[in-house]
Amino acid sequence: GAVVSQHPSWVICKSGTSVKIECRSLDFQATTMFWYRQFPKQSLMLMATSNEGSKATYEQGVEKDKFLINHASLTLSTLTVTSAHPEDSSFYICSAHRGYEQYFGPGTRLTVT
Amino acid sequence: AQRVTQPEKLLSVFKGAPVELKCNYSYSGSPELFWYVQYSRQRLQLLLRHISRESIKGFTADLNKGETSFHLKKPFAQEEDSAMYYCALSRGAAGNKLTFGGGTRVLVKP
Repeated sequence: GAVVSQHPSWVICKSGTSVKIECRSLDFQATTMFWYRQFPKQSLMLMATSNEGSKATYEQGVEKDKFLINHASLTLSTLTVTSAHPEDSSFYICSAHRGYEQYFGPGTRLTVT
Repeated sequence: AQRVTQPEKLLSVFKGAPVELKCNYSYSGSPELFWYVQYSRQRLQLLLRHISRESIKGFTADLNKGETSFHLKKPFAQEEDSAMYYCALSRGAAGNKLTFGGGTRVLVKP
């Protein structure tokens, strides 16, 4: 058990458009999910904590108006990259908290052209 | 602020040789330390955490608060251990947000 999925697995979008990434916990409920960003050959950087039924909390330096997070149910959190720019191109990974552990999704590769 | 440092980006060892991945942290409170592993084309998964004090896949890690270290060790590396390893720190209660180190790629040669 404890599987987390992400959709899409990869997406290409044009500059100025918005793109939504979904994170689902398939077989458990998660009141807390996390969104990370990973640049090539670099580590994961926490962007924000997604809390079911309340506003997300963002890490320092992460623009909340650019990276909109919605956690409307206990199994789904979404990350919307608004007005995307080429520098937003990255690998976005979510995780869901259960017990003492975080379970990670497979990641979404975003390319902004 | 908390920080996790993994000084080695790449460790290359021969099969059967010992392997040690270094991890140092800085945090003023009582941290919880984890090792996560990412095999090729797979997602990140938990390998072990310091509280459980268990051995997983032959790996062990001991939290040394005096040296603020949480090094990962395995006495006899196997080819299937080739992967990316991340040390991570959680502030306080388990499940809190994680701060990751830069990662160490382990390559076990036959």
